[in-house]
Amino acid sequence: QKEVEQNSGPLSVPEGAIASLNCTYSDRGSQSFFWYRQYSGKSPELIMSIYSNGDKEDGRFTAQLNKASQYVSLLIRDSQPSDSATYLCAVNKAGGSYIPTFGRGTSLIVHP
Amino acid sequence: DAGITQSPRHKVTETGTPVTLRCHQTENHRYMYWYRQDPGHGLRLIHYSYGVKDTDKGEVSDGYSVSRSKTEDFLLTLESATSSQTSVYFCAISERGGSQETQYFGPGTRLLVL
Repeated sequence: QKEVEQNSGPLSVPEGAIASLNCTYSDRGSQSFFWYRQYSGKSPELIMSIYSNGDKEDGRFTAQLNKASQYVSLLIRDSQPSDSATYLCAVNKAGGSYIPTFGRGTSLIVHP
Repeated sequence: DAGITQSPRHKVTETGTPVTLRCHQTENHRYMYWYRQDPGHGLRLIHYSYGVKDTDKGEVSDGYSVSRSKTEDFLLTLESATSSQTSVYFCAISERGGSQETQYFGPGTRLLVL
């Protein structure tokens, strides 16, 4: 079992809808959580980080963390075709070296 | 922009030849990383460095070596390239903001081993 799991998709949503992307992790010692967006042929770009249980909002993006259930999610409100990309979840343990573990990514398609 | 550049950006080489990829950063970050990204596997850590001359292996280090003789440069070497090392290679740095580290990626190098 991979340490960080994501549904590979593709997840297809209509323009203007809410896209919900999910990520589960296996290490209960994980302390920091990140969402990256990666357009085809480009490098991953950090869009959200979250460190404590609950929701964190940044513009149209909301990250949700539930450590008891070991999942982190990303909601994209008012989805736009420009949001079409692969979204990578990354998880890091507390202390020591900063070596995050990445999920394989979920492909999101927002159709007009 | 975390000031990360990679060179070359594209390379085609033949099986058995040595290849060196360079990652350069301008902001004196302590941690640097090399990842490869392949369809179906996501990002996999090859090696990382936590200071000059301080490096350690990641999950897919076989066939790769690294060196860091200066803070700003982290080199990845394929001693004898194989077709299985055809991939996109990303360098990354981690930046500390407050008590938290965050990782930023370079533009990537596309390597094709024939």
